Amino acid sequence: GAGVSQSPRYKVAKRGQDVALRCDPISGHVSLFWYQQALGQGPEFLTYFQNEAQLDKSGLPSDRFFAERPEGSVSTLKIQRTQQEDSAVYLCASSLFLGLKQPQHFGDGTRLSIL
Amino acid sequence: KQEVTQIPAALSVPEGENLVLNCSFTDSAIYNLQWFRQDPGKGLTSLLLIQSSQREQTSGRLNASLDKSSGRSTLYIAASQPGDSATYLCAVNPLGAGGTSYGKLTFGQGTILTVHP
Repeated sequence: GAGVSQSPRYKVAKRGQDVALRCDPISGHVSLFWYQQALGQGPEFLTYFQNEAQLDKSGLPSDRFFAERPEGSVSTLKIQRTQQEDSAVYLCASSLFLGLKQPQHFGDGTRLSIL
Repeated sequence: KQEVTQIPAALSVPEGENLVLNCSFTDSAIYNLQWFRQDPGKGLTSLLLIQSSQREQTSGRLNASLDKSSGRSTLYIAASQPGDSATYLCAVNPLGAGGTSYGKLTFGQGTILTVHP
């Protein structure tokens, strides 16, 4: 596809359930980022991949959050034992290489609601 | 820790006005700065990217300036149109070890712009 694709667009889960969010970056993009955006706020960094290597996961809020990109393309963000405070829009972004002089291209996000 | 602040939080103007959105950041060690637009329910669209060595970038009716030493950037929108209504976000890309960066962006909270006919 031409842009970053995220699925599902909307996800409703009960507190305590596990969820998995998918990101298909632009083909050939080396760098992949996950951000969390609370209502009325700017996005906050969660984690970064360079190809299949997760080089920075300093923004993950707790050990309930886990991300992977096993083949260096599609990435999955998994949240275990969801809590209400996990409700947010989760954005995925990719860039061609290392972010050097390259803008990040964002998907439309997954809006997660925890009941 | 880098902090990014955007002023004003919201702005409502009549069509045709020129306007300025402000962004300030606390740590001047940045690689570049990016302005994004976000429409409701959508992701972010990159508008302008300014490298730390640059003073400004222009695209159509948009002009972004950067004063790294004072920690400020402005986004100037000329002859605003109703279609410009959106949330505008400023993001800084910090300078890492060895003078490189991988793009871990720190965002401001955004300015909600409404342009009415």
